[in-house]
Amino acid sequence: AQSVSQHNHHVILSEAASLELGCNYSYGGTVNLFWYVQYPGQHLQLLLKYFSGDPLVKGIKGFEAEFIKSKFSFNLRKPSVQWSDTAEYFCAVQKDSSYKLIFGSGTRLLVRP
Amino acid sequence: GAVVSQHPSWVICKSGTSVKIECRSLDFQATTMFWYRQFPKQSLMLMATSNEGSKATYEQGVEKDKFLINHASLTLSTLTVTSAHPEDSSFYICSARDRVNEQYFGPGTRLTVT
Repeated sequence: AQSVSQHNHHVILSEAASLELGCNYSYGGTVNLFWYVQYPGQHLQLLLKYFSGDPLVKGIKGFEAEFIKSKFSFNLRKPSVQWSDTAEYFCAVQKDSSYKLIFGSGTRLLVRP
Repeated sequence: GAVVSQHPSWVICKSGTSVKIECRSLDFQATTMFWYRQFPKQSLMLMATSNEGSKATYEQGVEKDKFLINHASLTLSTLTVTSAHPEDSSFYICSARDRVNEQYFGPGTRLTVT
C-alpha cells in the first residue's frame, strides 16, 4: 500500500549531537514533501518543504532535508541539536492536486541537556 | 505567520449527543480546509477535505453521515460529530490551505465522549 514511513519512532540525543530522521514514501510520480514539528502542547508547524529544484532544502531553526528521488526519501537533518528541539517530528507527502497531506507516524525526539 | 484557530479546545459530551467543532482562518482566506484525527501517540489521519461552497470529500472509511462538515465561508469550516460514541474520543485537528499551497494547522480539539 502507498504510505509514508518514519522508521525512528523515538530518538534520544544529547545536546550538540547531530540528528537525522528518516522519511520514505511509496508514491510514484511527482510529490511535494514536508516536515512538520509539534512542540509539546503546541500545534503543528512547518519546518521545511520541497516542491522542486535544489533537492537540499533549508528550513527554520537550522534544519535541512535532502530529497533523494531514487530512494524515495526525504530525510531531516540538523548538525547540532538543542534541548529546545525536543518535539515530535512528522514527515508528510502531498501527491496530487488535491493538496491532501499524508503523514508519517511521527518521531519523538528527546534532547537531553 | 498565518493563524488557524479551533473552538472549543476541549469538549466532553455524553454518548449519543452531537458536538460541533469550529475551524477558523484568522488572517487569510482558505478555499480548502482539512480535518484530521490524531489518536494518542499516533500520526494524523486525514478524515476529509472541505472546500468552500461545496460538499466535503471524505477519505475511505470515514462515515460522512457521522462526521458532518460544512465550509460556509472562506474563513470557517465546521465538523459535527453526530451521535457521538466513546470510540469517537480523539484529538481533531484542522488545517487551512492558503493561496500558495501552505497549510496552517489549528491547535486541535480534544473530544471525550463518556
